[in-house]
Amino acid sequence: QKEVEQDPGPLSVPEGAIVSLNCTYSNSAFQYFMWYRQYSRKGPELLMYTYSSGNKEDGRFTAQVDKSSKYISLFIRDSQPSDSATYLCAMSVGSGGSNYKLTFGKGTLLTVNP
Amino acid sequence: DVKVTQSSRYLVKRTGEKVFLECVQDMDHENMFWYRQDPGLGLRLIYFSYDVKMKEKGDIPEGYSVSREKKERFSLILESASTNQTSMYLCASSHVNTGELFFGEGSRLTVL
Repeated sequence: QKEVEQDPGPLSVPEGAIVSLNCTYSNSAFQYFMWYRQYSRKGPELLMYTYSSGNKEDGRFTAQVDKSSKYISLFIRDSQPSDSATYLCAMSVGSGGSNYKLTFGKGTLLTVNP
Repeated sequence: DVKVTQSSRYLVKRTGEKVFLECVQDMDHENMFWYRQDPGLGLRLIYFSYDVKMKEKGDIPEGYSVSREKKERFSLILESASTNQTSMYLCASSHVNTGELFFGEGSRLTVL
């Protein structure tokens, strides 16, 4: 079983739709969870960073972590064509020292159609 | 604004050539990383460095070496490029106390 599983998509939605992106993981030691957005031919950029179980909201984006189910989600409300990108989940055991290595999902390609 | 700069966006090299990929960060980060990204395989860690002159192998170090002589600069070296090293190479850095990676724009290498 891979440490982090993420559906690669592609996912195509109409503008204004609510998008749900998900990752599951097997390592219960993961404590820090991130979502990165990667536009075509660019490097990934950090979108959301969470530590505890529960929800974290930032504008149209909500990150959700359920440690008991080993499941994380990213919700995008009122999706826009500019949200079209690959979304990568990432997680780590700790935030410092030797635990700084991130384990990434393979990414989900999202297209928001005008 | 935080910045990770990769010197070359696009490179074309021939099999057997030595290739240098340079990365500079201006955030005074302790940690620096080299990844490669391939369709269907995602991001894979090649090498990372947690201090000047310190390095550790990642998941796929074979065929690569690295150099970190200054805190802000981390170089990836392909001693003898091969066609299976055609890929997008991404450099990243992070502060020692956080796991947040900041990535460069990537260097797309084609080996003919």
